[in-house]
Amino acid sequence: DAMVIQNPRYQVTQFGKPVTLSCSQTLNHNVMYWYQQKSSQAPKLLFHYYDKDFNNEADTPDNFQSRRPNTSFCFLDIRSPGLGDAAMYLCATSRDSTGGGEQYFGPGTRLTVT
Amino acid sequence: GQNIDQPTEMTATEGAIVQINCTYQTSGFNGLFWYQQHAGEAPTFLSYNVLDGLEEKGRFSSFLSRSKGYSYLLLKELQMKDSASYLCAVPHTGGFKTIFGAGTRLFVKA
Repeated sequence: DAMVIQNPRYQVTQFGKPVTLSCSQTLNHNVMYWYQQKSSQAPKLLFHYYDKDFNNEADTPDNFQSRRPNTSFCFLDIRSPGLGDAAMYLCATSRDSTGGGEQYFGPGTRLTVT
Repeated sequence: GQNIDQPTEMTATEGAIVQINCTYQTSGFNGLFWYQQHAGEAPTFLSYNVLDGLEEKGRFSSFLSRSKGYSYLLLKELQMKDSASYLCAVPHTGGFKTIFGAGTRLFVKA
């Protein structure tokens, strides 16, 4: 089945220790997104790619970086995680359609910072 | 700017009907989505409305009024598994970004 996969599902890192979260998709969608979601809050868009075009949200901290080496894979790098970065990180994809279209989410990676 | 408002929590009884409202303010309009999100899981697509009126899909229906900036999600014959958060979301015009509401947490009780 076509899907969005995130690894790992649970990640524990130490304060200040870099961490990378990964996302892959078999849907062949042009657009990939990274969201941060904290408890009882809306998913907050960090950045998105249209193919290799990178779009950073104005309020995304510099501590967060992303890479998309090919259509299928996208990575979220947190260079120096702080306690406030503990959250669920959701990867999503959508087809090439204006307005974003329906988004297909991966199961998420829950990040804990100790 | 864009803003989405929906109630924080609702409680309903198994077998009943519940309506979850969403109001939005957008510059331009390109449709409205509803997603379901169970605790600790990713959101899953429920519905998409771009024209005024009611779209029915099994036990779930979604309504849109563009002139009022208003939508609702109607859940019929509630089941315990419907306990989840329901997110209203509006795509940003001219790009690929979608703005999500904070979600309405629905508790279904026996």
